[in-house]
Amino acid sequence: SAVISQKPSRDICQRGTSLTIQCQVDSQVTMMFWYRQQPGQSLTLIATANQGSEATYESGFVIDKFPISRPNLTFSTLTVSNMSPEDSSIYLCSVERAGANTGELFFGEGSRLTVL
Amino acid sequence: QKEVEQNSGPLSVPEGAIASLNCTYSDRGSQSFFWYRQYSGKSPELIMFIYSNGDKEDGRFTAQLNKASQYVSLLIRDSQPSDSATYLCAVESGGYQKVTFGTGTKLQVIP
Repeated sequence: SAVISQKPSRDICQRGTSLTIQCQVDSQVTMMFWYRQQPGQSLTLIATANQGSEATYESGFVIDKFPISRPNLTFSTLTVSNMSPEDSSIYLCSVERAGANTGELFFGEGSRLTVL
Repeated sequence: QKEVEQNSGPLSVPEGAIASLNCTYSDRGSQSFFWYRQYSGKSPELIMFIYSNGDKEDGRFTAQLNKASQYVSLLIRDSQPSDSATYLCAVESGGYQKVTFGTGTKLQVIP
């Protein structure tokens, strides 16, 4: 299993500011995934981050709002830009189990953001 | 239209009973199906996956898949209070390497 560390675990932010979430994995992985889980909702994929290329964003998510970096095979960051209360959510970093099929995912502990 | 549907619950079962959790999906091309358990305030944890029609058993858990009916279920035998959690059904959209999650069913096991 992969060990995934996320920082910060939680934060309270002011409207209009930006916050960067860090994700560190204890092994090298090709793809890292960023999900959002809004209160009472399920997980929604924001984007897939590949090392050495631009992140691939899902419908409804754009790079200007959620810029992603992937400098190496064990680390990624997600920035939530120009935050509004609607961005209050849990943001989860995820990787696939090594050698497994798509969908066998490990998740970080999540970063709970509250935007005032 | 939701791609993966689950009853939100809560589903309450007495300790020792069988809990039955259900999920339907819309993409007929889906090949891989997953059940995740999420305790309150925690991140999801993969507990079962199934790729072929029929049943797959792992300890107290059995996943059932019927692709013709686009239906996947999770049975938990001898339910324990520690099984109380939200169970998320997830489906891999065929060929797109994208996983779609349902909204989850909250299970409460009553001692």
